[in-house]
Amino acid sequence: DIQMTQSPSSLPASLGERVTISCRASQGISNNLNWYQQKPDGTIKPLIYYTSNLQSGVPSRFSGSGSGTDYSLTISSLEPEDFAMYYCQQDASFPRTFGGGTKLELK
Amino acid sequence: EVQLVESGGGLVQPGRSLKLSCAASGFTFSNYYMAWVRQAPKKGLEWVATISTSGSRTYYPDSVKGRFTISRDNAKSSLYLQMNSLKSEDTATYYCARHRTNYFDYWGQGVMVTVSS
Repeated sequence: DIQMTQSPSSLPASLGERVTISCRASQGISNNLNWYQQKPDGTIKPLIYYTSNLQSGVPSRFSGSGSGTDYSLTISSLEPEDFAMYYCQQDASFPRTFGGGTKLELK
Repeated sequence: EVQLVESGGGLVQPGRSLKLSCAASGFTFSNYYMAWVRQAPKKGLEWVATISTSGSRTYYPDSVKGRFTISRDNAKSSLYLQMNSLKSEDTATYYCARHRTNYFDYWGQGVMVTVSS
């Protein structure tokens, strides 16, 4: 199984700040890396798919990059609605696996 | 508008069974793989099962293989998860998701399953 390690697990940040969340796979996943946002009410939506493709309707302040085993999600300027949980997920092979999550909190 | 609505959750004793349903609308259900993903209380996301468009291929992690069965009825645009021999560690919110090529592009609101005596 491919293990996904996300960091940091908690990220205090301020409005307008630029932040980056990292995700490392235990083996190469050929850019099959996705990012999801989960709000406190449990709602989950995709943000980025296949490393760097922005899901329809997602603001352009979100971006993704990476290759091989190392990937990242960047939010260029934090808005109030961005404070939530973020998960990476590999879709390279079964079993599909998620990172442990990053809680983006208001500093 | 794509909608996925789960139902069938509740409190169940260890060792018993429960069947979840997911009603899909707003897209051609038979054209998409579908999946279940769960989240234990205060924990992260765990993929549980995926089914192909026709239902001929199913995929599970070892944690549920042999106990859970994913199925679908394309005529009813419905997805199911039959859960047998339930354990306390199966306690979670279960999400129905559309498993588009390479990612889960739509998610339901989730349904809670509690396994406890």
